[in-house]
Amino acid sequence: QKEVEQNSGPLSVPEGAIASLNCTYSDRGSQSFFWYRQYSGKSPELIMSIYSNGDKEDGRFTAQLNKASQYVSLLIRDSQPSDSATYLCAVKSDSWGKFQFGAGTQVVVTP
Amino acid sequence: NAGVTQTPKFQVLKTGQSMTLQCAQDMNHNSMYWYRQDPGMGLRLIYYSASEGTTDKGEVPNGYNVSRLNKREFSLRLESAAPSQTSVYFCASSEDRDEAFFGQGTRLTVV
Repeated sequence: QKEVEQNSGPLSVPEGAIASLNCTYSDRGSQSFFWYRQYSGKSPELIMSIYSNGDKEDGRFTAQLNKASQYVSLLIRDSQPSDSATYLCAVKSDSWGKFQFGAGTQVVVTP
Repeated sequence: NAGVTQTPKFQVLKTGQSMTLQCAQDMNHNSMYWYRQDPGMGLRLIYYSASEGTTDKGEVPNGYNVSRLNKREFSLRLESAAPSQTSVYFCASSEDRDEAFFGQGTRLTVV
């Protein structure tokens, strides 16, 4: 069983719609949660970080964390073609400081 | 502020050749990481260094060695390259609970 699970996609989203990405993790000791965006041939870049239960909003992006259910999600509002990329969920446990990454969800925003 | 710098960006090796991938960060981070990324597999941790002078194996360490030369630099060495090591390699650094910052990646092909 993978420690961080994501739907691989592709997730096809009409331009202007909301994209919803989900991620589950197995380590209950995890303390830090991140969403990265990765364009083809490029390195991952941070979109959102979240550390406590609830929602965190930054522009068109909202991250949601539920530690009891061990899931973290990302909403992308008003999706744009430039949002077409692979989104990686990452989880960090303070106990050993390593990041565990999901395999990524490919998002395709169609005009 | 360069962040995380990796060299080289591209490399082609013949089976059995050796090489060292270089990584340096200028953010004064204690933790540094080497990942490989293969299609559909996400980012897999090769080796990790929590601080200068310490290194730990990750998920896929076989065939690799690392050196944490100082706080800034963390190198990855392939002693005898194999076609299975064809991949994109990313170096990253982080501090405490915070996010990982990635280098631009090295695209390695072993023929």
